[in-house]
Amino acid sequence: DAGITQSPRHKVTETGTPVTLRCHQTENHRYMYWYRQDPGHGLRLIHYSYGVKDTDKGEVSDGYSVSRSKTEDFLLTLESATSSQTSVYFCATGTGLNYGYTFGSGTRLTVV
Amino acid sequence: DAKTTQPNSMESNEEEPVHLPCNHSTISGTDYIHWYRQLPSQGPEYVIHGLTSNVNNRMASLAIAEDRKSSTLILHRATLRDAAVYYCILQENTGNQFYFGTGTSLTVIP
Repeated sequence: DAGITQSPRHKVTETGTPVTLRCHQTENHRYMYWYRQDPGHGLRLIHYSYGVKDTDKGEVSDGYSVSRSKTEDFLLTLESATSSQTSVYFCATGTGLNYGYTFGSGTRLTVV
Repeated sequence: DAKTTQPNSMESNEEEPVHLPCNHSTISGTDYIHWYRQLPSQGPEYVIHGLTSNVNNRMASLAIAEDRKSSTLILHRATLRDAAVYYCILQENTGNQFYFGTGTSLTVIP
């Protein structure tokens, strides 16, 4: 979707290294989300944000941290990457309860 | 987190209607019902959502049971481009979070 850009699109990193994924939106949406998708698990919520500097944990937040210093950017950091964090990561944005959400194209992360 | 139950897979012939069911027996009165679909190698795409009444848009229709414990996504004429995984999701009124299940993989047969 043109309103959401995830970077990088692909990344290979070594176990133990820090990794930061970026989600950038031009929609001025208040809410932003990070999901991971693994075979057999569907999409699982990692962290979400309901405003600048306002974030909260999702169902699989261990090993991840996030930051949102401005409306348009939501960063996901793996402090010390592990092989279990190999996954496809999706960012999503939304305006509120009675509206649909928009997803990015995903970042494929491989931890070796 | 509110849960939904969907069949793992379904098949449909091209140009025929498709009814994708979803059970959400633990839905609360303020939860919205959302449907998204995901094509191979793409992010999920919003399809439709509703609260109590049936909803129609250019992509699909959403039929919600009177007790709201189930819903059905209706694709009126399936095309090959509709082959995707369809997710039924409850958006909780608390925290503005929503959780995906494993969805229904729809195969469209030419």
